[in-house]
Amino acid sequence: DAGVTQSPTHLIKTRGQQVTLRCSPKSGHDTVSWYQQALGQGPQFIFQYYEEEERQRGNFPDRFSGHQFPNYSSELNVNALLLGDSALYLCASSWGAGTNTEAFFGQGTRLTVV
Amino acid sequence: GENVGLHLPTLSVQEGDNSIINCAYSNSASDYFIWYKQESGKGPQFIIDIRSNMDKRQGQRVTVLLNKTVKHLSLQIAATQPGDSAVYFCAENPNNQAGTALIFGKGTTLSVSS
Repeated sequence: DAGVTQSPTHLIKTRGQQVTLRCSPKSGHDTVSWYQQALGQGPQFIFQYYEEEERQRGNFPDRFSGHQFPNYSSELNVNALLLGDSALYLCASSWGAGTNTEAFFGQGTRLTVV
Repeated sequence: GENVGLHLPTLSVQEGDNSIINCAYSNSASDYFIWYKQESGKGPQFIIDIRSNMDKRQGQRVTVLLNKTVKHLSLQIAATQPGDSAVYFCAENPNNQAGTALIFGKGTTLSVSS
């Protein structure tokens, strides 16, 4: 049983560009959350998707957008990249957006903006 | 400010000792808490969780204690091993019915020497 998988593992982009990160949830999970983790910090919640809709959003600008597909996989898009967007982007999957259950994380995508 | 924080940024122990990692939270409405372990270059790994209707929960070599009176959470690791060396985060869900976003603290780095 594969856990949460994310692609790519590493990415280098230039300021102003756009990037798309991908996530496949753990088998049986229907909810996907995205987090940004700056170096030396804890993960910060970006948004959560359930039933192909954004259910909850953290304090991130509109440059950050996402999508969830019918197979529960998800994408995170970031437009007009800034140097400060350099971070580890983590995807977490769980079951049922309205209930507290274990959230499992992927290995993350390391984004570097130059 | 952050809702979840840790008392000590680093903790150094000898192999075989018991480790205690502490966490203070500020949102009294939080009803679900999780401890994660994050090794270098990897995503957070679920260790143990506890709901607000419990005071204590035990896993394999780990115990989580919840004191709602003083809003304090702790993770106890018995017979600490070198493989336990990592950054440990506590995370809370602030009982938001819209979703299950987690709020993380900054983490405690546990170093185990043999």
